[in-house]
Amino acid sequence: DTGVSQDPRHKITKRGQNVTFRCDPISEHNRLYWYRQTLGQGPEFLTYFQNEAQLEKSRLLSDRFSAERPKGSFSTLEIQRTEQGDSAMYLCASTLDGRGGYTFGSGTRLTVV
Amino acid sequence: GENVEQHPSTLSVQEGDSAVIKCTYSDSASNYFPWYKQELGKRPQLIIDIRSNVGEKKDQRIAVTLNKTAKHFSLHITETQPEDSAVYFCAATSRGGAQKLVFGQGTRLTINP
Repeated sequence: DTGVSQDPRHKITKRGQNVTFRCDPISEHNRLYWYRQTLGQGPEFLTYFQNEAQLEKSRLLSDRFSAERPKGSFSTLEIQRTEQGDSAMYLCASTLDGRGGYTFGSGTRLTVV
Repeated sequence: GENVEQHPSTLSVQEGDSAVIKCTYSDSASNYFPWYKQELGKRPQLIIDIRSNVGEKKDQRIAVTLNKTAKHFSLHITETQPEDSAVYFCAATSRGGAQKLVFGQGTRLTINP
């Protein structure tokens, strides 16, 4: 296990299309977070899973966004009816019981044209 | 909710000199304060972190200090090298079970040869 993996690394999509991203956390980490980062800004929290349970969602997460972690391992983030404002880097991070040492994946860069 | 302010937004220092980046946080319940280095197009990488029961932590050329009373913490890099050039983000955990990270706005550090 070499860390947090995200797929794809880059995604270009037309406005109105749906996209789905995947995150594979470090295997023993039970907590998984999704963040969004726009150019020149720090990452902003989107949502959090403890095992398979989605326990918190940011107000940034509109109803077009949905996330799952069906077996408490990998997670997916889906954006429906993409808008240009969704263009950003989507980062996944994981940790064990929130004891620090949050490890980030390389992110998925989404460009909506 | 938690708010983290980071200063300066840009910092330029001569190679070999020291660099200091400062952050303040608003939530007295925050108990974990990591610093991340992010190079262009890459993932945030944890470089050092500190917990609220410790006032200072050092790792080779990097140190972090925490003043809980004043609710601020700082990153110190000594003997800077060109490869230290990057964007640095501070973060603090928010109140609540999610222990999500709230990030500062970032500091673009440039080391001049």
